[in-house]
Amino acid sequence: AQKITQTQPGMFVQEKEAVTLDCTYDTSDPSYGLFWYKQPSSGEMIFLIYQGSYDQQNATEGRYSLNFQKARKSANLVISASQLGDSAMYFCAMREDSNYQLIWGAGTKLIIKP
Amino acid sequence: ETGVTQTPRHLVMGMTNKKSLKCEQHLGHNAMYWYKQSAKKPLELMFVYSLEERVENNSVPSRFSPECPNSSHLFLHLHTLQPEDSALYLCASSHLTGEETQYFGPGTRLLVL
Repeated sequence: AQKITQTQPGMFVQEKEAVTLDCTYDTSDPSYGLFWYKQPSSGEMIFLIYQGSYDQQNATEGRYSLNFQKARKSANLVISASQLGDSAMYFCAMREDSNYQLIWGAGTKLIIKP
Repeated sequence: ETGVTQTPRHLVMGMTNKKSLKCEQHLGHNAMYWYKQSAKKPLELMFVYSLEERVENNSVPSRFSPECPNSSHLFLHLHTLQPEDSALYLCASSHLTGEETQYFGPGTRLLVL
């Protein structure tokens, strides 16, 4: 069974609009962490935001916020006021404390339209 | 200065060649990782080093040989590769194995002919 599911293979969004990228996860570990990375066409994997399973508040980093709904096991990334430079692949990943390896989703290709 | 660097950025090699990929991190981390990213597949962890000791080898074929001479440098030695080994190879580093955010380099795009 997939542990990280990103249901949107691709998305088109108008510039300056907000965008939500979906991520659901599956784990029985009580302690885990969730990550979002951005990968432009150049290839580099850029860390965006992190949410710990015990964090009381949703993580925010500038225009990025993580909508963490623990009961639903979802960790959606919200990008406010999208920009052309946000066009990239976005990956959701999870690390269970019982297994230090990162488990990756298949990614969502986001294209921002001018 | 970029935290994690990788060279070369692009590499084309024949199946009989021997080449090496290099990764260097300037973040003071003590764990380093090699990943393989093939088209339409999730990232695959290949090797993990913590304090220069290999702690994980995810059943990678022996034609891939890692080397970690110190906590700042990581190599991936390649020999007699197959066309299906063509992929983006990403290096990452973190403070502690599995407990901290991993930071990635720009990757090496490898094409095996």
